[in-house]
Amino acid sequence: RKEVEQDPGPFNVPEGATVAFNCTYSNSASQSFFWYRQDCRKEPKLLMSVYSSGNEDGRFTAQLNRASQYISLLIRDSKLSDSATYLCVVILSGNTGKLIFGQGTTLQVKP
Amino acid sequence: DAGVIQSPRHEVTEMGQEVTLRCKPISGHDYLFWYRQTMMRGLELLIYFNNNVPIDDSGMPEDRFSAKMPNASFSTLKIQPSEPRDSAVYFCASSWDSIYGYTFGSGTRLTVV
Repeated sequence: RKEVEQDPGPFNVPEGATVAFNCTYSNSASQSFFWYRQDCRKEPKLLMSVYSSGNEDGRFTAQLNRASQYISLLIRDSKLSDSATYLCVVILSGNTGKLIFGQGTTLQVKP
Repeated sequence: DAGVIQSPRHEVTEMGQEVTLRCKPISGHDYLFWYRQTMMRGLELLIYFNNNVPIDDSGMPEDRFSAKMPNASFSTLKIQPSEPRDSAVYFCASSWDSIYGYTFGSGTRLTVV
């Protein structure tokens, strides 16, 4: 079983739609969680951290459910520029520095 | 700040040849990471350094791969001899903290024929 699992998609949605991605992680000792964004043929970039209480950044909302070991990302009012691959990232407790990436979920927003 | 700088951007080489990838981290970042990305396996951590010292190289696939960080501003990842299955995008990243502040370079797209 992979340490971090995501539905690869692709998710094809129209502009203005709301879309949600989920990610599950296998190690209950995981302590830090992030969503990264990767555009085609580019490097990954941090989108947002994920906190236990949930957090929001504009149109983006991230949630963490430790009991069920999953993380979610909600994008409201999708823009064409949101088209990218979204990577779920986990860091294990005590494992300094080692980001564990999911395979990514591809989003395509269409006009 | 110029960000994390990797070279070359693209490398095409023949099987059996030695390949050296280079990385210049952001000044002041104490952590440096080498990742490999393929369609099949996604992003995998190969090795990382803290203050120029290798901390975890458990992701290095085999003895053909080696990495060095002779000083705080330079690191290399070497593959000798290269094989077609090494074809991937190799990313270098640096960070001021073990968890936060990761910045990736633009990557080196390696093709071994």
